[in-house]
Amino acid sequence: AQTVTQSQPEMSVQEAETVTLSCTYDTSESNYYLFWYKQPPSRQMILVIRQEAYKQQNATENRFSVNFQKAAKSFSLKISDSQLGDTAMYFCAFMLYSGGGADGLTFGKGTHLIIQP
Amino acid sequence: GAVVSQHPSRVICKSGTSVKIECRSLDFQATTMFWYRQFPKQSLMLMATSNEGSKATYEQGVEKDKFLINHASLTLSTLTVTSAHPEDSSFYICSAREFTEAFFGQGTRLTVV
Repeated sequence: AQTVTQSQPEMSVQEAETVTLSCTYDTSESNYYLFWYKQPPSRQMILVIRQEAYKQQNATENRFSVNFQKAAKSFSLKISDSQLGDTAMYFCAFMLYSGGGADGLTFGKGTHLIIQP
Repeated sequence: GAVVSQHPSRVICKSGTSVKIECRSLDFQATTMFWYRQFPKQSLMLMATSNEGSKATYEQGVEKDKFLINHASLTLSTLTVTSAHPEDSSFYICSAREFTEAFFGQGTRLTVV
């Protein structure tokens, strides 16, 4: 079974600052995907960024980037130039890739990110 | 991206009654859908995997007789909470995978009184 650990229950930074959310995972599998999801107060899950385990290059989406360290099983999210709208719960998630699409996501406990004006 | 629609978004029911929640993939076919449960200020926990045309697979500790799942078509999965009790009050979220990406419904807040 896979596990995902987010060790920061809550973080608070000033607007425009850079913040890094940490995530570690444990698996014995080699083919998998990692995700960061944002859950605002509406509770709609929004995909922030994804990383394929077979890719060495770190994924980037505008102000969001990851530091993927496969050997260390670490997958941190960096948010640059943080904005008030970034305030939300952030979940790190693991998905096994078995080819059949029959695997759900394993989520970490989440980090509540607060962007202060 | 693909769209998953979940209905209703909010429901209040009396203890002992049953409630059905629908999850639809609007612009793609989903042979597999997933149901999660989220308690306040907690993470999403996978409850069950819904497979089109076959029985659902439940995670350990989830009562399959209480949480009935039906996946009758490639675009619709339903979760029925039977004989609901206050402890079943929670936020339920469905998800469908298209290739290697998961799309989520808006969630259903169930309150059992």
